[in-house]
Amino acid sequence: ELKVEQNPLFLSMQEGKNYTIYCNYSTTSDRLYWYRQDPGKSLESLFVLLSNGAVKQEGRLMASLDTKARLSTLHITAAVHDLSATYFCAVDPRHGNKLVFGAGTILRVKS
Amino acid sequence: DAGVIQSPRHEVTEMGQEVTLRCKPISGHNSLFWYRQTMMRGLELLIYFNNNVPIDDSGMPEDRFSAKMPNASFSTLKIQPSEPRDSAVYFCASSWTSANEQFFGPGTRLTVL
Repeated sequence: ELKVEQNPLFLSMQEGKNYTIYCNYSTTSDRLYWYRQDPGKSLESLFVLLSNGAVKQEGRLMASLDTKARLSTLHITAAVHDLSATYFCAVDPRHGNKLVFGAGTILRVKS
Repeated sequence: DAGVIQSPRHEVTEMGQEVTLRCKPISGHNSLFWYRQTMMRGLELLIYFNNNVPIDDSGMPEDRFSAKMPNASFSTLKIQPSEPRDSAVYFCASSWTSANEQFFGPGTRLTVL
């Protein structure tokens, strides 16, 4: 059974700082997704990573995928308050559309 | 562009009542997913459909839950009878099979008293 682990589960950081959220998964996959969820809202797709070594960047967020290490990272550069949200990674182990989600990382950026 | 549409957005009901949640996927998408989100269990996949056919319902908690997709533009998730432990936010999502990126609806917040 595929397990997806995120860490940290809670991250409080100051504006302007950098940090990385990690997503480890237990079985082979080359498809990984990052989503953002604001409190009381739905999930918004951030990044789709479809191959080993894939790197995607949008604003202050950059996501990468290492399929050999079964690891994806979401790097935050010079955090701003608007980035406060919960971030989920999700893995598709068999290209069958059945995503398994991590528990989520709650990010709070303090002014 | 209309995204995934869910109704109702909020539902409050009493234990034992039947609850029906509705979802309209994005036009052209051929995969549809029902998720449940709670603080204790996080985001769980309940069931998903490809081309209106249920593919995997292993996440459906028990026989009280059922889902249908009578056509490409409509799906329902029914709970009968409902119980307080069914209280959660239920999300519907859809995708093109090949791209696999799932787009989520706004969710239905269900409270069973």
